[in-house]
Amino acid sequence: DAKTTQPTSMDCAEGRAANLPCNHSTISGNEYVYWYRQIHSQGPQYIIHGLKNNETNEMASLIITEDRKSSTLILPHATLRDTAVYYCIVRVRGGANNLFFGTGTRLTVIP
Amino acid sequence: GAVVSQHPSRVICKSGTSVKIECRSLDFQATTMFWYRQFPKQSLMLMATSNEGSKATYEQGVEKDKFLINHASLTLSTLTVTSAHPEDSSFYICSANPRSTADTQYFGPGTRLTVL
Repeated sequence: DAKTTQPTSMDCAEGRAANLPCNHSTISGNEYVYWYRQIHSQGPQYIIHGLKNNETNEMASLIITEDRKSSTLILPHATLRDTAVYYCIVRVRGGANNLFFGTGTRLTVIP
Repeated sequence: GAVVSQHPSRVICKSGTSVKIECRSLDFQATTMFWYRQFPKQSLMLMATSNEGSKATYEQGVEKDKFLINHASLTLSTLTVTSAHPEDSSFYICSANPRSTADTQYFGPGTRLTVL
C-alpha cells in the first residue's frame, strides 16, 4: 500500500471548517483513500473513502486532486467532539483488507 | 452501521496469568477479523489477521504462541495473551469487514490491558 504524509497536528476553531490534508504521491490506480479517526482511548472510527471522485457523507467531505496525489478531508462545522487523531490510509480495495496506520494528524477543536 | 464489540473493555491482571479478549461483530458476519495493538502515544500496529475456520496469520515479530487467536465463528474472534508480562500492557483493538462490503473495516472500542 502507498505511503501517506500528514501534518502532525492542527487546530481548528469550533464551528469552523476543518481541512485536513494528506499527501499520497505514490498512490497507484487501484488504491483507494480512506479516512479514519480515533478519539482518545477508543477504537478508530470510519469516516469516508474514495477513489478519484469527491465524496460526501453525513460526517465529512473528501476532496481528491485530479492527479490523486493528495486529498483533503473536510469537517464542515467542527465541534469539540471532533477532537481526535485523523488517519489517512491508502489501500487496494478488496485486497488484504488490513489497514496500516501512520502517525495521523491530531486535530484539536478550540472553543 | 456495522457494530463491533469487545470484552472486556478493561482488565488488570498479575504477571504470569493469561487474559482472553473477545471480539464480536454484532450485526454482520466477518470471515476475517484483525487484531491491533497500540502503545501510549503511538499508532495502531497490526498484530495478526484472524480467519474463520483456519489459522491466524501473524505479523513479523508477533509471537503466535504468546498471542493465541481463535476465530471459531463468523461473529467471534478471541485473543488470548498467555503468561502476560508488564510489557504486554497495551490497548488491544480488533476490527472486522462485513462480508457484504469488503472495503470498509469497522473497529471495536478496544481493551485496555494492564499487567502488574
